[in-house]
Amino acid sequence: QAQLQESGPGLVKPSETLSLTCSVSGGSISSDYWIWIRQPPGKALEWIGFIHYSGSTHYNPSLRSRVTISLDTSRTQFSLKLSSVTAADTAVYFCARERAVEYHLGYHYYTDVWGKGTTVTVSS
Amino acid sequence: AIQMTQSPSSLSASVGDRVTITCRASQGISIDLGWYQQKPGEAPKLLIYAASTLHSGVPSRFSGSGSGTVFSLTISGLQPEDFATYFCLQDYVYPRTFGQGTKVEIK
Repeated sequence: QAQLQESGPGLVKPSETLSLTCSVSGGSISSDYWIWIRQPPGKALEWIGFIHYSGSTHYNPSLRSRVTISLDTSRTQFSLKLSSVTAADTAVYFCARERAVEYHLGYHYYTDVWGKGTTVTVSS
Repeated sequence: AIQMTQSPSSLSASVGDRVTITCRASQGISIDLGWYQQKPGEAPKLLIYAASTLHSGVPSRFSGSGSGTVFSLTISGLQPEDFATYFCLQDYVYPRTFGQGTKVEIK
């Protein structure tokens, strides 16, 4: 069973770039969709975006201008960069895996493996 | 983006109770909805996907139903380890969107 672990600075200054890495163990990163999700304090989860093992990406329009997700298959890691951060970017950040299962009408998707999350605070 | 409205935001129940949580989508999402359990400091766990398919290893007291815009998660016979927060996630379109969560507390 794959396991995911987030890592990165817990404190980032306003206007700087938040950088996080998700390490994948117990499974291959050369398949599936690799996702970042965040949860601001007291708020609902927010989907940030994914990178597919093929290299294609899709970002939440609300964050698209500031987000980059990349994949390092040789190191079984994928990363998140969020630029020009403000206090509103303070959140617990999760990495996760989304899979597709085929059925007769197409595909069902599900996010089956998550990291425990890492807290990032934006403050000077 | 599709809005997911989850209710109730919290509930109190006793061990052995049957509880039901609902998610409503702002537009039809077929059966593309999952339910998750989250405990503090732990990774969220997938319980159900495609609205009613039990994920591997999940106890059968968890069940899901619904299609289109209204979905439900039912826990039949609440166990001590089930006291947690539950949330829904629509997998129909990007960006994925989540319900606000339901905290299930001990009465």
